[in-house]
Amino acid sequence: SQQGEEDPQALSIQEGENATMNCSYKTSINNLQWYRQNSGRGLVHLILIRSNEREKHSGRLRVTLDTSKKSSSLLITASRAADTASYFCATDVDSGGSNYKLTFGKGTLLTVNP
Amino acid sequence: GAVVSQHPSWVICKSGTSVKIECRSLDFQATTMFWYRQFPKQSLMLMATSNEGSKATYEQGVEKDKFLINHASLTLSTLTVTSAHPEDSSFYICSAYRVYEQYFGPGTRLTVT
Repeated sequence: SQQGEEDPQALSIQEGENATMNCSYKTSINNLQWYRQNSGRGLVHLILIRSNEREKHSGRLRVTLDTSKKSSSLLITASRAADTASYFCATDVDSGGSNYKLTFGKGTLLTVNP
Repeated sequence: GAVVSQHPSWVICKSGTSVKIECRSLDFQATTMFWYRQFPKQSLMLMATSNEGSKATYEQGVEKDKFLINHASLTLSTLTVTSAHPEDSSFYICSAYRVYEQYFGPGTRLTVT
């Protein structure tokens, strides 16, 4: 079942602008990860944030996690046309022995116009 | 490091035939691999968890007799779609688990005509 729900489903911005995508989930997690997928390709891991972390940075990426609201956001600053892709959050559900199983959200399709 | 490959990258087959997709971890050993299916403009849905040396664990609603998984070695898992039908056309992605992270293959596009 889908644990994560991203919004917006689609986002179109101009190059240089910032893009913010949100993800909500329903159950307790160990960590939350964000992935990028270019059309018809595999997934690229962007960043992992643990349940005891609130914010994490990696280059132009900033991820926040609010476990009380069961939500996360991914901010891409100074976007580039090459950032055009689908972005998915994935939660590592705290389910005991199989706690490395990932459940993916529906994704946000980001289009960065040159 | 942590590279995962899939073969083939795309395949077209006729309805009723079987297709085998390979997933390999190239530079590490993976006791656990995962198989996902992704329909156009949708998210990844976990199909099954493949464990080396034991039977795969299938998610609810996934037919184990239709999607045969074999994890014969620490670097190879295979997914065989048996008696494929047009509704099985999809993008199949595998991942290999290592140290709390899954490393994804590039995916296999299956088209059943």
